[in-house]
Amino acid sequence: GQNIDQPTEMTATEGAIVQINCTYQTSGFNGLFWYQQHAGEAPTFLSYNVLDGLEEKGRFSSFLSRSKGYSYLLLKELQMKDSASYLCASLDSNYQLIWGAGTKLIIKP
Amino acid sequence: GAVVSQHPSRVICKSGTSVKIECRSLDFQATTMFWYRQFPKKSLMLMATSNEGSKATYEQGVEKDKFLINHASLTLSTLTVTSAHPEDSSFYICSARSGREVETQYFGPGTRLLVL
Repeated sequence: GQNIDQPTEMTATEGAIVQINCTYQTSGFNGLFWYQQHAGEAPTFLSYNVLDGLEEKGRFSSFLSRSKGYSYLLLKELQMKDSASYLCASLDSNYQLIWGAGTKLIIKP
Repeated sequence: GAVVSQHPSRVICKSGTSVKIECRSLDFQATTMFWYRQFPKKSLMLMATSNEGSKATYEQGVEKDKFLINHASLTLSTLTVTSAHPEDSSFYICSARSGREVETQYFGPGTRLLVL
């Protein structure tokens, strides 16, 4: 079956670093996406990894290990506006996105 | 980046009426469009995949006669919720991808439907 696992909720402090993990099992694999979703809004694209390794983009970085079926999203220098849900999604062999349930990130001052 | 619009952004209707939601790709040709629904605090659930000029492929458990999808052009897909009921109240999101970037979906802003 297809399965994406990520923590339901995480809490972090403003200015700190947080890592959100995601493990996936999908039929075929064409890459791993991370999206940010604020309450009441559609998801917005953060990152796409298809090769192993770390991709850095400003305060956000994303890592992929295909052999382990594992990815993480790293957020540095957290700001209050980073409070949102972070969705992990795997692109399967049909190029369809298989979504995780999302991780709600709560930032405290 | 590519832009996808949705209209309306919010709709309130009476039970039994039909509601049409439009999804447009503004600056690229979308060979494939996806329709999702999302309940509060839940992840996105794919409802159907539509390719321009052909019938939509519905996910298991999604009633094709209830949720009519038309993808008549490379820039427009519509989702019609027929005879809407309160349980159809949800956040409906479309996404579009071009034939050249099969790995990337561009999301519309979503439509919030409330059926009274």
